[in-house]
Amino acid sequence: EAQVTQNPRYLITVTGKKLTVTCSQNMNHEYMSWYRQDPGLGLRQIYYSMNVEVTDKGDVPEGYKVSRKEKRNFPLILESPSPNQTSLYFCASRQLVTDTQYFGPGTRLTVL
Amino acid sequence: AQSVTQLGSHVSVSEGALVLLRCNYSSSVPPYLFWYVQYPNQGLQLLLKYTSAATLVKGINGFEAEFKKSETSFHLTKPSAHMSDAAEYFCAVTDTGRRALTFGSGTRLQVQP
Repeated sequence: EAQVTQNPRYLITVTGKKLTVTCSQNMNHEYMSWYRQDPGLGLRQIYYSMNVEVTDKGDVPEGYKVSRKEKRNFPLILESPSPNQTSLYFCASRQLVTDTQYFGPGTRLTVL
Repeated sequence: AQSVTQLGSHVSVSEGALVLLRCNYSSSVPPYLFWYVQYPNQGLQLLLKYTSAATLVKGINGFEAEFKKSETSFHLTKPSAHMSDAAEYFCAVTDTGRRALTFGSGTRLQVQP
């Protein structure tokens, strides 16, 4: 089944404790992206990647890192999480030649 | 820079009534436009998209949207609401480079019996 998976789905952590949210897709998509969703703000793009080893900042990249060492994986790294990073995070992917993004199920992160 | 404005964070309609969700965009280049739906506790699902072909776009579940360049709008409509349409709807825009996707703040649709 074609899908985007994220792990973990729920995470509660404390300020400053490094964490990684994994994202994997099995559709051989070149493009992958991370978004955060906050009430009243919709989804805002954090980082995106057009292909392996090619990443770029979205609208709200501060406090986040990403890497794209393999085509299927695009982990989101929070090196020193803060409470303002409490949010619902979505990973998405698509082929470069199409416009339809496929979204993962989301990761709800709480930073205390 | 591109942006999307969705008028009305909450819309309530009766079952069987017309659904109209509004979306206006600003983009310095001809845009690609999308409507996504998010059901409770789920990810986003594409409803329909405009990519410079026909201005009236039909999507899944009976939804459609019309691209109006003169009004910079891409409103979503459905002739007859169903209870299962209750969800949050997001309008989004990307430029022809298709790099970043910018979302509106969302409209939560309630359908009353």
